Amino acid sequence: AQSVSQHNHHVILSEAASLELGCNYSYGGTVNLFWYVQYPGQHLQLLLKYFSGDPLVKGIKGFEAEFIKSKFSFNLRKPSVQWSDTAEYFCAVGNFGNEKLTFGTGTRLTIIP
Amino acid sequence: DADVTQTPRNRITKTGKRIMLECSQTKGHDRMYWYRQDPGLGLRLIYYSFDVKDINKGEISDGYSVSRQAQAKFSLSLESAIPNQTALYFCATSDLGTGNNEQFFGPGTRLTVL
Repeated sequence: AQSVSQHNHHVILSEAASLELGCNYSYGGTVNLFWYVQYPGQHLQLLLKYFSGDPLVKGIKGFEAEFIKSKFSFNLRKPSVQWSDTAEYFCAVGNFGNEKLTFGTGTRLTIIP
Repeated sequence: DADVTQTPRNRITKTGKRIMLECSQTKGHDRMYWYRQDPGLGLRLIYYSFDVKDINKGEISDGYSVSRQAQAKFSLSLESAIPNQTALYFCATSDLGTGNNEQFFGPGTRLTVL
């Protein structure tokens, strides 16, 4: 069974700091990769996704993620965070042809003004 | 996402009561899912349905049942609620045609079992 690891449980940063959240998965086949964001009191929204092609994908609000197949990783980055980025971030992995997603346990991001 | 709706949004109930959470979607998607979210545990899949006649257990189905009344409706029931079922419950949908696993989430139902 595939699994997803998000090693950072809670990250606290000051505004304008750079962000990188780790995501590693265990599955050897073709994968689809996602980052979802959950702002306080809201539902999950798609931040970005990777299906194929350029391993560097850009999402909304200045976020990007890089798929490194050899490392089974899909880390989320943002060069300069804002207070409004305070949220919980979930990495999710699906394997091609299987309509289920496996989610990581999430990383809570707190941005200090 | 206004295309996936959940009712109720909040519910407080007592141990032993039967509870039904409802999910409706206007996206025309075939596939629907129920998850629960607990702090530090992320989202865990309870049940999923790939079409009206197809129901599958997820990783934590004990104590829950589901009904897919139509393509657009997928209900989750707790036959006899217990306090450790206190959680945030999300419904999600995905499109069979794309084959790319992307899921679209409803606003969630916060359930408290006393």
